[in-house]
Parts: sequence; structure tokens; C-alpha cells
Amino acid sequence: GAVVSQHPSWVICKSGTSVKIECRSLDFQATTMFWYRQFPKQSLMLMATSNEGSKATYEQGVEKDKFLINHASLTLSTLTVTSAHPEDSSFYICSARLAAQGTDTQYFGPGTRLTVL
Amino acid sequence: AQKVTQAQTEISVVEKEDVTLDCVYETRDTTYYLFWYKQPPSGELVFLIRRNSFDEQNEISGRYSWNFQKSTSSFNFTITASQVVDSAVYFCALSEVYTNAGKSTFGDGTTLTVKP
Repeated sequence: GAVVSQHPSWVICKSGTSVKIECRSLDFQATTMFWYRQFPKQSLMLMATSNEGSKATYEQGVEKDKFLINHASLTLSTLTVTSAHPEDSSFYICSARLAAQGTDTQYFGPGTRLTVL
Repeated sequence: AQKVTQAQTEISVVEKEDVTLDCVYETRDTTYYLFWYKQPPSGELVFLIRRNSFDEQNEISGRYSWNFQKSTSSFNFTITASQVVDSAVYFCALSEVYTNAGKSTFGDGTTLTVKP
């Protein structure tokens, strides 16, 4: 099956620093990637939709200046948490949409656990 | 708007018992996908099944089976002869192909604990 990777798998940073998380589709091209956030013992909440070559679309309540998304190629999307604060500590999961040959599904990355001190 | 409801927050069973996890969804689209994912303590989402809205055939995969009923907007998941390794959080998700461009909406999850 299709594989999506995320890097890093976990990161600890100081408050005020910026953190970049990469999401890669390893064996397919994804015109659309999604970024989700999951707080402990909660469900996944969609943060934004990332389309290759265009600006990301953010869900209501998500600060686009704080969570910068770049989708520079068909296999890579990045999420940068700028000036991170402890309340940004969460599990961030990306997914890549594969829509081809009569199928339309998403493949999820393994997630990145961010801890902001 | 799309919505997924998993009414069972937590379920606890003893090993070898059968258990059914409920999922009810809402959508205005006629074309959509339904998913089940398993999330073990490690956090990684494990894909279990995808079902499109035009395929109401039930599916069985080993000890897992799924019952899709469009008439009641339900997509329930049954584990037969549960095992301790089945302990995890299980999420049901809905993806509307056209209205929401494939975005997935997740239920709140059901935490399954299988005791030896």
C-alpha cells in the first residue's frame, strides 16, 4: 500500500522557537495533503488542507500565521509551528490524498509528537 | 456538514468476547467514503478498512467484520474473539469526495480495553 512518512517523529523545543514538520508521500504523488492535530485523549481535528502549488486552506479557528504550510511538490508538504508555546504541544498527523484509477483515499503518516517546554 | 458519532466512549471486555463498535454518520453527499482506524498507544494510525458509499456489501477480514447500513447511516465494526492486542482507540471517519474535497471527519473514538 501507499506509504506516508513524517519527520521528525517527535520533537521537544523551547517556547518561542519554530518547528518544521515534514510529510512525504513515498510512492505516490499527492496533489492534496491534510494536516491534523490531536490532543491527548481526543479525536483528530483537521487543521488545514494543503494543495500543491497553492496556498493552504485553513479550518476555522486555526491561525494561518502560526501554522505555516508549504506544499512545494507533489510528494512533500511541511507544517511550521512558529513561535511555539506549551499549548501547541500536541500530536500532529498528516495525510496524503490519492485519487486515481477509480479510487480516492487518504494515507496517514505516523504522526509527530511536539512538546513545547 | 459531515459528522461522525461514536457513542461508545469506552468499552471493556474480557479476552475472547465479541465486541461491536458503533459508528453513525451524517452527510449530504451521495459519494463518500467511510473508514475505520486503530490507534494503539504508540499513536500511529493503523488503517483497517475503507468502504465507498456505493458498496453496501459487508466485509470480513479475519476476526474483523464491518456492517454498512446506508438506511441507518451506520458503519459498525465487530471484533470476534477479542484479544489483548486489540486494545486501542478506534476511530470511524467519513470523507466526502465532492463537497469537502476529500477531507476526513473523525468520530471521537472508542477506547477498547481487552482484559486477559
